[in-house]
Amino acid sequence: NAGVTQTPKFRVLKTGQSMTLLCAQDMNHEYMYWYRQDPGMGLRLIHYSVGEGTTAKGEVPDGYNVSRLKKQNFLLGLESAAPSQTSVYFCASGEDGDPYEQYFGPGTRLTVT
Amino acid sequence: DAKTTQPNSMESNEEEPVHLPCNHSTISGTDYIHWYRQLPSQGPEYVIHGLTSNVNNRMASLAIAEDRKSSTLILHRATLRDAAVYYCILDSNYQLIWGAGTKLIIKP
Repeated sequence: NAGVTQTPKFRVLKTGQSMTLLCAQDMNHEYMYWYRQDPGMGLRLIHYSVGEGTTAKGEVPDGYNVSRLKKQNFLLGLESAAPSQTSVYFCASGEDGDPYEQYFGPGTRLTVT
Repeated sequence: DAKTTQPNSMESNEEEPVHLPCNHSTISGTDYIHWYRQLPSQGPEYVIHGLTSNVNNRMASLAIAEDRKSSTLILHRATLRDAAVYYCILDSNYQLIWGAGTKLIIKP
């Protein structure tokens, strides 16, 4: 049981490049989330999903897109990376019936130059 | 969205109890209070949550004020492995609103 995994662990992009971050969970959770964490700050919600095929905007959605084509996967896309998107990105999943206990992945450290 | 206020940092001695305070004066009647912690270079880890009554689990206890405007996370016997940033969080419609948290330093 791997829990929540994220790919890649590290990435460096140049301004304007695009990329996709992959989150996978093997706990059959309905709810999945993408957060970003800037130095010295708490997490901010980018987008979330309450089930396969559904997505919704969080607190800071601009510049990101997401897809949830399969229940176990939640993809986060950066269409045209900007230095302001340099951050650590965390994916989380939550159980059906109890979305408040979220299980987090190890994070992806992204640097945009 | 309701916000939480926590001290930036706290220190405690190993094997002593730790009380981490949190103020949430604008909490609404249906907001749950959640606590997560984040060890260095790791993703956050769920600790505990509650609504009105005090809650206990294997990791910690959560004491909620009668007016629900504040709460306290209690670690009964802190160890060096409890050194982390502790976040007090309110939820709003499946979304957790995170503050900057309290950095807990454990002294041997």
